Amino acid sequence: RKEVEQDPGPFNVPEGATVAFNCTYSNSASQSFFWYRQDCRKEPKLLMSVYSSGNEDGRFTAQLNRASQYISLLIRDSKLSDSATYLCVGAFSGGYNKLIFGAGTRLAVHP
Amino acid sequence: NAGVTQTPKFRILKIGQSMTLQCTQDMNHNYMYWYRQDPGMGLKLIYYSVGAGITDKGEVPNGYNVSRSTTEDFPLRLELAAPSQTSVYFCASTLGSQETQYFGPGTRLLVL
Repeated sequence: RKEVEQDPGPFNVPEGATVAFNCTYSNSASQSFFWYRQDCRKEPKLLMSVYSSGNEDGRFTAQLNRASQYISLLIRDSKLSDSATYLCVGAFSGGYNKLIFGAGTRLAVHP
Repeated sequence: NAGVTQTPKFRILKIGQSMTLQCTQDMNHNYMYWYRQDPGMGLKLIYYSVGAGITDKGEVPNGYNVSRSTTEDFPLRLELAAPSQTSVYFCASTLGSQETQYFGPGTRLLVL
């Protein structure tokens, strides 16, 4: 079983739609989680960190459920510019900020 | 402030050739990392460094070597290129062990 698993998609949604991505992780020792965004043929960039209490950044809401080992990302009012691959990332202890990347979920927003 | 820079952007190698992928950061970050990303896959850690003179293996180190003689530079060496090393290579850096990682633009490598 992969340490971080995501539905690869693609998710094809119209502009203005609300879309949710899920991610599960297998290592209960994981310390923190992130969502990264990766545009086609570009480097990953941090979208937001994920906290147990849930956190929101504009149209984006992230949630962590440690009991179920589950992370989610909700995007409201989708824009064309949201089209990208979203990477679920877990950070594990080890002294060097070890990141485990999911394979990513592809989102395509169409007019 | 250029952040993390990588050269070359793209390279084609023949089997058995060697090359060095360059990575430089100007943010005075202590931690640096090399990842590879295969199509449809997540990033896999090849090597990392927690400071000048200190390097260690990640998940997929075979076929690669690194060095860290300065804080700024973290080159990745492929000694005998193999088709399995065809991938996109990303370098990243971070100030501390719990800080956000910043990625370079990547190097696309094709081994034929």
